[in-house]
Amino acid sequence: QSVLTQPPSVSEAPRQRVTISCSGSSSNIGNNAVNWYQQLPGKAPKLLIYYDDLLPSGVSDRFSGSKSGTSASLAISGLQSEDEADYYCAAWDDSLNGYVFGTGTKVTVL
Amino acid sequence: EVQLLESGGGLVQPGGSLRLSCAASGFTFSSYAMSWVRQAPGKGLEWVSAISGSGGSTYYADSVKGRFTISRDNSKNTLYLQMNSLRAEDTAVYYCAKNDGVVPAAGYGMDVWGQGTTVTVSS
Repeated sequence: QSVLTQPPSVSEAPRQRVTISCSGSSSNIGNNAVNWYQQLPGKAPKLLIYYDDLLPSGVSDRFSGSKSGTSASLAISGLQSEDEADYYCAAWDDSLNGYVFGTGTKVTVL
Repeated sequence: EVQLLESGGGLVQPGGSLRLSCAASGFTFSSYAMSWVRQAPGKGLEWVSAISGSGGSTYYADSVKGRFTISRDNSKNTLYLQMNSLRAEDTAVYYCAKNDGVVPAAGYGMDVWGQGTTVTVSS
């Protein structure tokens, strides 16, 4: 059972904006950087966001991350069919002394 | 090209052992922490274990602590995961991933992933 909670699914029409929430605690999100990953069907995960809101080279600027207190969010603007995937937040947890993933959110483009 | 290639997966009986390997290329292996992440069929991602760039520090999820051992050979650019006392719930695709930092707790995340190797624990 993950310590980071995400909504199971979100859906929106093409060209719209979706936001995925990630709720944690003071031992993880509240005290450590948040990462976000995208996993396309049948593929390995891909790093989308590091250090809460930074984009790795090559990641579209339609993706953005933010954090406030013990919660974080991933926003996808200008939604495209290729964005249909599972999205996971993650962070180091000081109490567990390990890395934790969120429960995952499936994004559907209507 | 930066690349990670896992091997060693397969079918094993409950209580058995398996060793996974991950061959790295295209980057200075010893400069980065490495991790294992697994995904059970139809489930989400689960972090399993991590090791610092030097190999001096190791970290484990509670679900595998005492059964799995992570190690690395920086002279061979290879990461390992020794899995003992395997259970049905260990059945998953196991990914090795490069942490973009010397220690896994750094906020850089895992920026390179292998294609995964499948472990099936069943009698």
